[in-house]
Amino acid sequence: GAVVSQHPSRVICKSGTSVKIECRSLDFQATTMFWYRQFPKQSLMLMATSNEGSKATYEQGVEKDKFLINHASLTLSTLTVTSAHPEDSSFYICSASSSLAGRVSYKSPLHFGNGTRLTVT
Amino acid sequence: TQLLEQSPQFLSIQEGENLTVYCNSSSVFSSLQWYRQEPGEGPVLLVTVVTGGEVKKLKRLTFQFGDARKDSSLHITAAQPGDTGLYLCAGGYQKVTFGTGTKLQVIP
Repeated sequence: GAVVSQHPSRVICKSGTSVKIECRSLDFQATTMFWYRQFPKQSLMLMATSNEGSKATYEQGVEKDKFLINHASLTLSTLTVTSAHPEDSSFYICSASSSLAGRVSYKSPLHFGNGTRLTVT
Repeated sequence: TQLLEQSPQFLSIQEGENLTVYCNSSSVFSSLQWYRQEPGEGPVLLVTVVTGGEVKKLKRLTFQFGDARKDSSLHITAAQPGDTGLYLCAGGYQKVTFGTGTKLQVIP
């Protein structure tokens, strides 16, 4: 089955530094990737949608200058948390779709990475 | 924004009991998905329902899509400790929206 690899699984960084999280589709071309943030015991909150070769679309309330997203190829998207602060500590999850414009259906479901636990001290 | 409300938020039951989780919205969805997520991992797709009134079974799990395609339910028969996890419904066409989640704990 389709596999999405997310790296690193855990990262601890100091306040003020930047952290890059990678999301790779290993056996399919991901035209669209999604980045989510999840607080403990809560659901996933969509942060942004990225399409290969174009700018990401950010959800309302998500700072695009703080959460930089790059989707330079059909198999890799990165999320960089810039100038991280303790309130950025969270579980970040990516997902990928092989369908155009991320139109999820039973034929083109979303495939999720295993998430990255970010702790900012 | 399409909102998906799940109920209950938390559920703690004994092994062998039955349970139902509900997912409701005021919006119509072309399809709804159900996921299970375990701590520290990404969500895993359980099922996708696409037709109003559709019922799908996955072993002890029964999923139903409402006739109007605005709601869905997940019924688990004879719950087992391995069913413990966060259950999420999700829907949407161009952009998937996740439900508020139901945290299930099955006590041996």
